[in-house]
Amino acid sequence: EVRFLESGGGLVQPGGSLTLSCEASGFTFSNYGMSWVRQVPGKGLDWVSSIGIGGDTYYADSVRGRFAIFRDKSKDTLLLQMNSLRAEDMALYYCANGGLGGSGLDVWGRGTAVTVSS
Amino acid sequence: HSVLTQPPSVSAAPGQRVTISCSGSSSNIGSRYVSWYQQVPGTAPKLLIYENNRRPSGIPDRFSGSKSGTSATLGITGLQTGDEADYYCGAWDNSLRVGVFGGGTKLTVL
Repeated sequence: EVRFLESGGGLVQPGGSLTLSCEASGFTFSNYGMSWVRQVPGKGLDWVSSIGIGGDTYYADSVRGRFAIFRDKSKDTLLLQMNSLRAEDMALYYCANGGLGGSGLDVWGRGTAVTVSS
Repeated sequence: HSVLTQPPSVSAAPGQRVTISCSGSSSNIGSRYVSWYQQVPGTAPKLLIYENNRRPSGIPDRFSGSKSGTSATLGITGLQTGDEADYYCGAWDNSLRVGVFGGGTKLTVL
């Protein structure tokens, strides 16, 4: 069974940094692209970033230059390094396998919450 | 506002059929695959349809997807109270080089 365990969320001050982790299991991690999607409670889904099988990366305009997506294949873990955090980055962050450009976002984690506040 | 446009809400009675539309442009729906997601409040989204009209294993055939030009449609037949959820369409945008979602449609089963 495909599973994701997200961690790393928490409270951070504006301008601060956080790194989210998504530990994958149940499939061959290196064979799939991966994505991060966020959601403000009560609002819609907001695509954040994706990484392809070959390591190609893509970012929403709102996070480009501040966030970095990468994968640790030795640990089957997807990461999202978030710098210069803003109040508008506050959301529940989900990881999922796949991408919106291919066969969709197949399986989703349960999410990790990021709060940006002083 | 979202790049893909969905109606905010739809409703129908149990057992009936409902459709949810998703309107985009030539740079996203018009040239890329569409996927659909179901999100029951308080839970993570679940993939319902991928590559416009394909269902992952375990998704009942009451759910269907179609695409025509720059619009896509999710159909649900034999509505059940358990289908009450938010539904989102998603696609890649070739021009913006980003993933895009619709704003979501809340389905109420009356």
